[in-house]
Amino acid sequence: DTAVSQTPKYLVTQMGNDKSIKCEQNLGHDTMYWYKQDSKKFLKIMFSYNNKELIINETVPNRFSPKSPDKAHLNLHINSLELGDSAVYFCASSQVGGRYYNEQFFGPGTRLTVL
Amino acid sequence: QKEVEQNSGPLSVPEGAIASLNCTYSDRVSQSFFWYRQYSGKSPELIMSIYSNGDKEDGRFTAQLNKASQYVSLLIRDSQPSDSATYLCAVRLGGATNKLIFGTGTLLAVQP
Repeated sequence: DTAVSQTPKYLVTQMGNDKSIKCEQNLGHDTMYWYKQDSKKFLKIMFSYNNKELIINETVPNRFSPKSPDKAHLNLHINSLELGDSAVYFCASSQVGGRYYNEQFFGPGTRLTVL
Repeated sequence: QKEVEQNSGPLSVPEGAIASLNCTYSDRVSQSFFWYRQYSGKSPELIMSIYSNGDKEDGRFTAQLNKASQYVSLLIRDSQPSDSATYLCAVRLGGATNKLIFGTGTLLAVQP
């Protein structure tokens, strides 16, 4: 009964490759997020979708492209991977508004290593 | 000035003591405040949320919010070695988006 799941858990790839990370939530939330946590453990928002609409788009290289086919799924595609993209990528979800006060719940993370 | 500031620690407390974790934020219109616990190699886990000035208690955890001073804290009573983790303070900025800004986290070490 995993709430927020991500695949893959680990991703090791060469510079220049293209890769995707997938996220799914079964909490019935309407908003999903991608975060990046760097080697210094700083957690930073990248993107957010509310009901399939992009609502947060931080200053992220356009090699990163999120896509939300429905409100339970959010994917992240990364083109032309660079060494600096190595990090842990977390997906999160929340229900905006109402009594849940926008509490965000995180998936297990995908550790991306670019060689 | 960072938007959300925390002392990186490590904060070392003996087992059974009260651990006090502090966080300050710069956006005066922030309305929602969260504490997450992150064990090494794991994802952040929401442990407390607070929206009104004052204290909010949940088991051994108490969150305290002072909007006038732009300060939020987390107290952990009867600290256990299993509480050893990084504690992340997160602040929801004012405005229409549900954007959370995280602090860099405080590493708590509870000594048996």
